[in-house]
Amino acid sequence: GESVGLHLPTLSVQEGDNSIINCAYSNSASDYFIWYKQESGKGPQFIIDIRSNMDKRQGQRVTVLLNKTVKHLSLQIAATQPGDSAVYFCAENSWGKLQFGAGTQVVVTP
Amino acid sequence: DTGVSQDPRHKITKRGQNVTFRCDPISEHNRLYWYRQTLGQGPEFLTYFQNEAQLEKSRLLSDRFSAERPKGSFSTLEIQRTEQGDSAMYLCASSGDGLYEQYFGPGTRLTVT
Repeated sequence: GESVGLHLPTLSVQEGDNSIINCAYSNSASDYFIWYKQESGKGPQFIIDIRSNMDKRQGQRVTVLLNKTVKHLSLQIAATQPGDSAVYFCAENSWGKLQFGAGTQVVVTP
Repeated sequence: DTGVSQDPRHKITKRGQNVTFRCDPISEHNRLYWYRQTLGQGPEFLTYFQNEAQLEKSRLLSDRFSAERPKGSFSTLEIQRTEQGDSAMYLCASSGDGLYEQYFGPGTRLTVT
C-alpha cells in the first residue's frame, strides 16, 4: 500500500542551530501535505502546509520544501529553540483524511 | 478559547465497560474527524463527518465503535465492551468546507485495565 514515512526517528539539535526533518511519501497522486508538531500529552498542532503545485513555502521560522521528483518533503526550522522540542509529523491529505507517518522526535540541547 | 475541545481528557475504565467521548469542533467548521493514536505512532484515521452526515469509516472502526454528530455541531465517539487494545489517545479534528487543513483538539487518553 502507499504510505507516508519519516527517515529519522530522533533528531538532536543544539539551540540556535537549524533543524531539518525529512519525510518520504509514496503516493504520487498526493496534492497536499501538512506538518504538525505534537508536544507530550497534547494534540497535533498545525505548523505549515504545502500544495503539490509548489516547491517551497515559508512561515515564521519554518520552511517546507517539496520535491515531487523523489517524493520527498522536508521541514526546516531556523534558529531552533527549546520550545521546538516535540515530535514532528508529516501528513498527506488523502481524499479529505490525513495519513500520518510515525514522527520524528526533535530534542533541543542547550 | 475557540479551538477544538475534547472531554474528558483522561479516562480509565475496566475491560468490558462502555465509554463515550465528546468533541466540540471550531464553531464554523462543518467537517469533523476522529483519529486514534498509540504511543510512538502517528494518528490513524477512524471516521469523519460533514455536518451531521458520517461520510467515511475506517476498517479500524470495529462494530464496537460508533460515532455520532446529531446536530452537525459536537460529536460523540462511543466504544462498547472496551478491550485493552483500545487503550490509546483519541483525537478529534475539524476543518472548514473546502479547506484541507485540520485543527486538532487535545485528545482523550483512554486506559483500559
